[in-house]
Amino acid sequence: AQKVTQAQTEISVVEKEDVTLDCVYETRDTTYYLFWYKQPPSGELVFLIRRNSFDEQNEISGRYSWNFQKSTSSFNFTITASQVVDSAVYFCALRPYNQGGKLIFGQGTELSVKP
Amino acid sequence: NAGVTQTPKFQVLKTGQSMTLQCAQDMNHEYMSWYRQDPGMGLRLIHYSVGAGITDQGEVPNGYNVSRSTTEDFPLRLLSAAPSQTSVYFCASSYSGQGGNYGYTFGSGTRLTVV
Repeated sequence: AQKVTQAQTEISVVEKEDVTLDCVYETRDTTYYLFWYKQPPSGELVFLIRRNSFDEQNEISGRYSWNFQKSTSSFNFTITASQVVDSAVYFCALRPYNQGGKLIFGQGTELSVKP
Repeated sequence: NAGVTQTPKFQVLKTGQSMTLQCAQDMNHEYMSWYRQDPGMGLRLIHYSVGAGITDQGEVPNGYNVSRSTTEDFPLRLLSAAPSQTSVYFCASSYSGQGGNYGYTFGSGTRLTVV
C-alpha cells in the first residue's frame, strides 16, 4: 500500500522559533516523487518543493529546508525563524512511479505561528 | 496563461440534485485529476485521467463521474448529491517532464455544500 502520514495534526509556535513538520511515507516503488504544499487561510494550494527518490540531497530555500531520508522513509520540512505569515496547513504528498496525475496526500499539519 | 480554472467557486445543492464541476487547463498537460478535501483527512483522489479518453478511479470515486473528451477539460459530475459530498473540491493538472520533473498545478477550489 502507498501511504503518507503526517502525525502532527496541529503545531503552535511563537514567532522566530524553528519548527519541523514530519512526513513519513510508504511505497514499494524504487522510483517515486515527494512534494510539500502550503495551504494558507485563503485556501489555495501553493507548491513548495518536489523531490525525486533518487536524489537524497537535502535542500534549503531561504528559511525553508527539507531533510529527505530514504532509510527511514521520511521527508521532513523545517521552517527556521518562523513568521506569522507561515501560519497555514502544510501537506506532504507522494506521487507513485509511472502513475501520472495521482498524488497521495498526508492528512496535513496545521501550523499556527503566534506573534 | 490562466493555469487551471475551476467553476463555480461556491455551490449549494439540495440532496438528490445533480451538477457538474468544471475544470479547464490551458497548459497542454496530459494528466488531470480531482480531489476532495475534508477536515483532518487531507486531499483524497476521486478520479484521474492520463490523457483524452482515458480515466480511472482514485480512492473515493463513488457518487462521482468523469469523462475527458479533450486535453483541456475534465468535468466532475455529481449524479445525485448527498450531504456526505459536502467538501472542497480541487482539480489539478500535471505533466511528465525530463528527469522526473513532474509538476502539478491546482485550481483554486470549489466549495460545495449539500443540504
